[in-house]
This record gives sequence, structure tokens and C-alpha cells, in this order.
Amino acid sequence: DQQVKQNSPSLSVQEGRISILNCDYTNSMFDYFLWYKKYPAEGPTFLISISSIKDKNEDGRFTVFLNKSAKHLSLHIVPSQPGDSAVYFCAASDGGSNYKLTFGKGTLLTVNP
Amino acid sequence: EAGVVQSPRYKIIEKKQPVAFWCNPISGHNTLYWYLQNLGQGPELLIRYENEEAVDDSQLPKDRFSAERLKGVDSTLKIQPAELGDSAVYLCASSQNNEQFFGPGTRLTVL
Repeated sequence: DQQVKQNSPSLSVQEGRISILNCDYTNSMFDYFLWYKKYPAEGPTFLISISSIKDKNEDGRFTVFLNKSAKHLSLHIVPSQPGDSAVYFCAASDGGSNYKLTFGKGTLLTVNP
Repeated sequence: EAGVVQSPRYKIIEKKQPVAFWCNPISGHNTLYWYLQNLGQGPELLIRYENEEAVDDSQLPKDRFSAERLKGVDSTLKIQPAELGDSAVYLCASSQNNEQFFGPGTRLTVL
């Protein structure tokens, strides 16, 4: 039973365009959401997060949007760069801390020059 | 600042053999996690330590898996005996506040 779902295994975009990665969750107790980025042969690295009291958080080229009613969040990367090519994991936790993260399966983003 | 260190990076063993993974967290991080990542899946938590105490090991298969964190710093995860289905990447992470920092992982192949 996947509580965090990333339904697109892969996404390909052109350099300079927008990348939109989607994530859905089923557990209404989740109140903190994170995106991690993973390069091959490396561990995941934290990218950006959002609390359930907000609907948007922005950090440079990266913006995360949260739609609580739809139990959906998305990561926007604008403009996309070839160095953004990686696997992106959506993760969620409840209780106000990220001690216990539930991860999605990940989406492989390829940014073509 | 050095990141989370894991060794070995790769391990190939035959089934029924024992195997151990080692993790050195970021200095000063009291919380340490072990995750399992199967191919095509996201990481799944196996065990979480606060200093030397295992505060969440509900997902650890205790019949064959064990872990320890002596002195609240380094940690070791052991599998004995290993099964074919244990082939995966084993990730260690540490945190001081909310952000978890991951190591590069140990890729285990059980033949």
C-alpha cells in the first residue's frame, strides 16, 4: 500500500523549460513534505520542503506547491538545467518532524541540452 | 564538513553468508537512520537511533537483521544469514534537527 505515489517513473524536458514533478499521498496525517534529489551511486540529498500550513515554498529555481484537499504536491524547476538530471523522490512525514519519512518510488528527470 | 560515510560501497556474497555494513554519521548528529532501498523503490526506514538507543526498529526484520550503535556514534547493520531477497542498497542517514543527510549507501548483491 503506497502512501506516497509518484506515478511518473520518468520525465524528459528541454534545457531552459519548466520541469514539473508530481506526487500524491493518501495518508491525511502527513503534515510535512520533502523533495530529495539523487544522483547515481550517491545518497539522496535534501532539496526543498513544505509544511502543511503553507501551499507554496520557493527556493531559487525550485518551487514546491501543496494542495491539501487533493492530497497532491508538485515540484517545479524553472529553468531546467542539464545538471538537474537525477531521480527525484517525494517524501512525507507526520507529527511535525521528519523523523519517519515515507518515500515515493521516485521520478527520473532528464534535462536535454 | 565531512558527510555520512559508509563502507563498504559494494558487497557481493553468497546466500546464507553473514554480512555487515558500517556507518559513520556527521559529527554531532545524534539521530542515525538505516534505510533499505530496493531497485525502483524509494528508501524504507529499517531503524532509527537517538544516540545509542534504538527508538524505532519496528520495520527491522529481527530474525536475521541486527544493528548497534555503540557510544552513540558509529553504527553497524548486520544480516545473518543473507537471503537472495536482501539484495538492495542499504543507506545510512544522520540528522541533528529536521534535515536528514544520507550517505552513498552500500550496494549488496546476494548470489
